[in-house]
Amino acid sequence: ETGVTQTPRHLVMGMTNKKSLKCEQHLGHNAMYWYKQSAKKPLELMFVYSLEERVENNSVPSRFSPECPNSSHLFLHLHTLQPEDSALYLCASSPDTGTVSYGYTFGSGTRLTVV
Amino acid sequence: GESVGLHLPTLSVQEGDNSIINCAYSNSASDYFIWYKQESGKGPQFIIDIRSNMDKRQGQRVTVLLNKTVKHLSLQIAATQPGDSAVYFCAGEGPGRRALTFGSGTRLQVQP
Repeated sequence: ETGVTQTPRHLVMGMTNKKSLKCEQHLGHNAMYWYKQSAKKPLELMFVYSLEERVENNSVPSRFSPECPNSSHLFLHLHTLQPEDSALYLCASSPDTGTVSYGYTFGSGTRLTVV
Repeated sequence: GESVGLHLPTLSVQEGDNSIINCAYSNSASDYFIWYKQESGKGPQFIIDIRSNMDKRQGQRVTVLLNKTVKHLSLQIAATQPGDSAVYFCAGEGPGRRALTFGSGTRLQVQP
């Protein structure tokens, strides 16, 4: 375990379903991130939270809705997704944002399949 | 903005040989770089990082080289082992950016 836990590990959902991905970290980090990893493509930044405040939304469709109730938990709420949204969704945390030198700690990801 | 990319999608090496994985970046203002390793079914794991005021940094069996003139960095793995088989990503961060930008990855295959 890296200290960042994502649940569920796998999720299959229909295009009309509503589901949520959960991320939890107990590293004392102040920043949390959602990335999307599709096959043969770079990791795509989706959202950045710093101290529970969303500081970056990287032009993500509104069918993805993040929530950060506290600095230890991050959710990604999903509704009316498309098949092309199938991917590995990775959560990461870091001590802070906007710092020259820091490192991310990643979770193992949620493998999402939209049918 | 920043973009990072890798030269080769797949690199195959013999066990015991040295591996070199390359990465190019576009933003000359980028001042921090990280290499990550991602094994199947896992999230990326930190390997080594380097700041722009350095040319070289060494870890255990790994070395990162940074050439700011041509905006290129490389990851060298000494005496490559089967456990090194994974996808390797470089990532960069520039001033004012709030998050890392990742390249598309190179798959390292270690042949016994």
